[in-house]
Amino acid sequence: NAGVTQTPKFRILKIGQSMTLQCTQDMNHNYMYWYRQDPGMGLKLIYYSVGAGITDKGEVPNGYNVSRSTTEDFPLRLELAAPSQTSVYFCASSIDRGYGYTFGSGTRLTVV
Amino acid sequence: AQSVTQLDSQVPVFEEAPVELRCNYSSSVSVYLFWYVQYPNQGLQLLLKYLSGSTLVESINGFEAEFNKSQTSFHLRKPSVHISDTAEYFCAVSETSGSRLTFGEGTQLTVNP
Repeated sequence: NAGVTQTPKFRILKIGQSMTLQCTQDMNHNYMYWYRQDPGMGLKLIYYSVGAGITDKGEVPNGYNVSRSTTEDFPLRLELAAPSQTSVYFCASSIDRGYGYTFGSGTRLTVV
Repeated sequence: AQSVTQLDSQVPVFEEAPVELRCNYSSSVSVYLFWYVQYPNQGLQLLLKYLSGSTLVESINGFEAEFNKSQTSFHLRKPSVHISDTAEYFCAVSETSGSRLTFGEGTQLTVNP
């Protein structure tokens, strides 16, 4: 049971480039989330999904896009990367409310 | 909307000493409360949670947290810490009607020999 898998683990982008952070889970969880973690700031919700075909914005969605075409996959798209998007990105999933999240191991992104 | 405040950004303690990591939350509706632990270069792992019932909840590795509704707190305690407890700890809250978690800023627990 792999849980939540994120790829890549590390990436360096140049300003203005685009990329997709991949997230897949094999637990048949309906709920999926993308957070970014910055030092001393905790985790901030970027986007979330309550099921295939349904996505919604979190606290800090600007500069990001998501899609949820299947239950398993929830990719995060960065368009026109900016230095402010340098962060560690975590994908998580949960089966329902109150069950807590299962987190991936994160993607460390640097924009230069 | 809910919010979470972790009152200490860093807590250094000696091995075998007791520790308390403080967490206060704000919400106008009923909430679920969680503590997560993050070891270096890893994702977050669920440590314990309060959903309903007994206000004292325990984890398998000796941590406990008590939900205090009147003080809107959910402090994490351990009577005797080990070197291996060194990690960052995050308090989180969600409304009972929703699934999104709001996290605190984190508390770095460092256990020294």
